[in-house]
Amino acid sequence: NAGVMQNPRHLVRRRGQEARLRCSPMKGHSHVYWYRQLPEEGLKFMVYLQKENIIDESGMPKERFSAEFPKEGPSILRIQQVVRGDSAAYFCASSPNEQTQETQYFGPGTRLLVL
Amino acid sequence: QKEVEQDPGPLSVPEGAIVSLNCTYSNSAFQYFMWYRQYSRKGPELLMYTYSSGNKEDGRFTAQVDKSSKYISLFIRDSQPSDSATYLCASRLYNNNDMRFGAGTRLTVKP
Repeated sequence: NAGVMQNPRHLVRRRGQEARLRCSPMKGHSHVYWYRQLPEEGLKFMVYLQKENIIDESGMPKERFSAEFPKEGPSILRIQQVVRGDSAAYFCASSPNEQTQETQYFGPGTRLLVL
Repeated sequence: QKEVEQDPGPLSVPEGAIVSLNCTYSNSAFQYFMWYRQYSRKGPELLMYTYSSGNKEDGRFTAQVDKSSKYISLFIRDSQPSDSATYLCASRLYNNNDMRFGAGTRLTVKP
């Protein structure tokens, strides 16, 4: 049973380009969470999605960031017009349902570097 | 002030030692408390979670929550070199998806 998968593992972008980060939850999981981790800082919640629905995006920056979890395929975190401050590790987590949010399983992360 | 404060360490102990990791939090409404372990270049792995105050034990790991002092602890008995990792505490409200993480404590267990 494969765990949470994220790709790419490393992504390099120049300022102004777009970054697309993908997350495939564990089999049977329909809830996806995105977090950002800056060096020497803890994880910061960004967004919580279920299939075809954004449930909570209170941690998402108001501009340039968007997320989706389509009926088919992985969840996508999209960052438009990246800036150097977007450089961070982005983690995706999944859980089977809302009642098991505590048991979120994390992926290996995507490390984004903006030049 | 961060909602969850955690000493980043680093913390270095000899193999077999008892390790105590601690966090404090400021929001008295937090109900769920979690500990995650994160190896270098990997995603966090849930170790334990507790609801409200009390203790919870799982093998060599014991989690404690004292809501009166807003203090969260993780104890590791008979520590092993394989326990070397960064340990993250996290808290959240009862009906809220926004988990607040501490910065993580880097632990090294020396053989």
